[in-house]
Amino acid sequence: DIVMTQSPLSLPVTPGEPASISCRSNQSLLRSNSHNYLDWYLQKPGQSPYLLVYLGSNRASGVPDRYTGSGSGTDFVLKISRVEAEDVGVYYCMQALQTPFSFGQGTKLEIK
Amino acid sequence: QVQLQESGPGLLRPSETLSLTCTVSGGFINSHYWSWIRQSPGKGLEWIGHIYYSGSTTFNPSLKRRGTISVDVSNNQVSLRLTSVTAADTAVYYCARVRRSPVLSYYYGVDVWGQGTTVIVSS
Repeated sequence: DIVMTQSPLSLPVTPGEPASISCRSNQSLLRSNSHNYLDWYLQKPGQSPYLLVYLGSNRASGVPDRYTGSGSGTDFVLKISRVEAEDVGVYYCMQALQTPFSFGQGTKLEIK
Repeated sequence: QVQLQESGPGLLRPSETLSLTCTVSGGFINSHYWSWIRQSPGKGLEWIGHIYYSGSTTFNPSLKRRGTISVDVSNNQVSLRLTSVTAADTAVYYCARVRRSPVLSYYYGVDVWGQGTTVIVSS
């Protein structure tokens, strides 16, 4: 199984400042079609998770452009250019290259 | 807009069988994959398995063959069955749509999630 590791696990951020979350896999998520099967999800307090980024760098519909996903192979990053209060919650990366799909432990973003 | 609604008993005793249903509205079930994902109290997300509308399923081996996923295209429903439950199966269970094709000719992520249903296993 593919193991996903996120860091940091806790991320206090001042509004207006940038934030960055790292996600690493123990196997490459790059498929022969040149796509990285890595997604990012946000779970706001009391809500279901929802999709932010798929295939490493593609923002989902309706996701603000302050969110940017990047990386390839085994190392990925989600960046928020300017954190807003509504960005609080737990961020998860998930690999979809092979079953069983697997998630990182989650990174809890909070406002300072 | 596609919406997913999970339903099922909220309380089970150890060794019983968990049965959950996900009803898909606002769209048809006969495309994409349909997943079950769970979240234990205070913990992260665990992928349980998924099914294609044709009936092809994949299940997480960690659940040791206790589970099955089925699809009812005529009623736009996906079901999860998990046998011999223990306290470790206590979790919020989510139904979710995975926008992908069988051979990954396209993939757009797990783009629709249900609100989740809480299942507690306790004697």
